[in-house]
Amino acid sequence: DADVTQTPRNRITKTGKRIMLECSQTKGHDRMYWYRQDPGLGLRLIYYSFDVKDINKGEISDGYSVSRQAQAKFSLSLESAIPNQTALYFCATSSPWGEQYFGPGTRLTVT
Amino acid sequence: KQEVTQIPAALSVPEGENLVLNCSFTDSAIYNLQWFRQDPGKGLTSLLLIQSSQREQTSGRLNASLDKSSGRSTLYIAASQPGDSATYLCAVFQNYGGSQGNLIFGKGTKLSVKP
Repeated sequence: DADVTQTPRNRITKTGKRIMLECSQTKGHDRMYWYRQDPGLGLRLIYYSFDVKDINKGEISDGYSVSRQAQAKFSLSLESAIPNQTALYFCATSSPWGEQYFGPGTRLTVT
Repeated sequence: KQEVTQIPAALSVPEGENLVLNCSFTDSAIYNLQWFRQDPGKGLTSLLLIQSSQREQTSGRLNASLDKSSGRSTLYIAASQPGDSATYLCAVFQNYGGSQGNLIFGKGTKLSVKP
């Protein structure tokens, strides 16, 4: 089984809808991350969490919120989706020495 | 603010050629540097991780070097194969107060190896 799983893998939604992307990891690491990837802009950090009680905003957190339900689970919510949130979203976890493990990604389209 | 740059943005080589991908970063206060591979529409696969105290790491046909003082890293791929075709991303961990901070990515080099 994959170390980091993301659901759903693909999602099409309409402007104004609330959606949640879920992430689970089996690595046993405390640190988890959410990124988005856009063509020409690379990967950008949305939120990160160093443990269940420590959640921090990344470079582009506006319009997003997160919940760390357990060490293994970190979900990303779009409260009111807009078209410019169409992107590929990645969840990741990192080891104590800094090696990051990525999930397969969620392709989100907001129409 | 840390900036990571990868040159070239795209590279096409014939099969069998040795090649070098470049990564530069503006702030030398990094905890480590990681090279990833990404296939189209897929997730990122970690290739090599170099801690800030290390100079290089090797895995099979891949060798990554780190010169922290000059803000540079290179990924050397020996005897390239068509299966190496992918986008290669470089990322640095910021070093805040002795603990890890965030991972800052370059925009990647898209490699195409022609048979």
